[in-house]
Amino acid sequence: ETGVTQTPRHLVMGMTNKKSLKCEQHLGHNAMYWYKQSAKKPLELMFVYNFKEQTENNSVPSRFSPECPNSSHLFLHLHTLQPEDSALYLCASSQEEDSAANNEQFFGPGTRLTVL
Amino acid sequence: AQKITQTQPGMFVQEKEAVTLDCTYDTSDQSYGLFWYKQPSSGEMIFLIYQGSYDEQNATEGRYSLNFQKARKSANLVISASQLGDSAMYFCAMREGNAGNMLTFGGGTRLMVKP
Repeated sequence: ETGVTQTPRHLVMGMTNKKSLKCEQHLGHNAMYWYKQSAKKPLELMFVYNFKEQTENNSVPSRFSPECPNSSHLFLHLHTLQPEDSALYLCASSQEEDSAANNEQFFGPGTRLTVL
Repeated sequence: AQKITQTQPGMFVQEKEAVTLDCTYDTSDQSYGLFWYKQPSSGEMIFLIYQGSYDEQNATEGRYSLNFQKARKSANLVISASQLGDSAMYFCAMREGNAGNMLTFGGGTRLMVKP
């Protein structure tokens, strides 16, 4: 596997279900991200992990719970979701250097989530 | 106020012609970076090109070039010799110097290449 992988690619869940999204990066990066992409809205940053430590939580509801057990893996645990949470969830990674603004983020293919 | 504005929700271009996708940004930071990403229907965001705020020259990567006009706060993407495979959503994004490693994205432009 190369780059950033995400599983599952598609997920349909009911509002009472609990599920998890998985992201794995094979690039040796030290930062990982979760984004939400809803129809007709800009990409929204949800969480940032630097060196496995969460450094950003962009006012995300507690029904989304991230986990970063090591620098290569990132999970997004979902519970009691709402239909408006249906979206494409994208994971990304980057190699962060001090004071450098040109560290592009590499994205996975996303998980298309539908909440019924 | 929006930090990244892409005013063209959709654009058509004839195959083999050049096309410019607009992006304007808003920041008070002196140090920042501007990125363009392509998102095909498969969903993956593909990095295309980067421009740093202190870069003197416009960035180029193959058929992609960035028309950086700092005083106007614009960072337009130019795609030369369009190909059918260029049909996709294109997103402009900015990373501000005081915002750590956070990227702010624009709303995107859907480009459709006509044969």
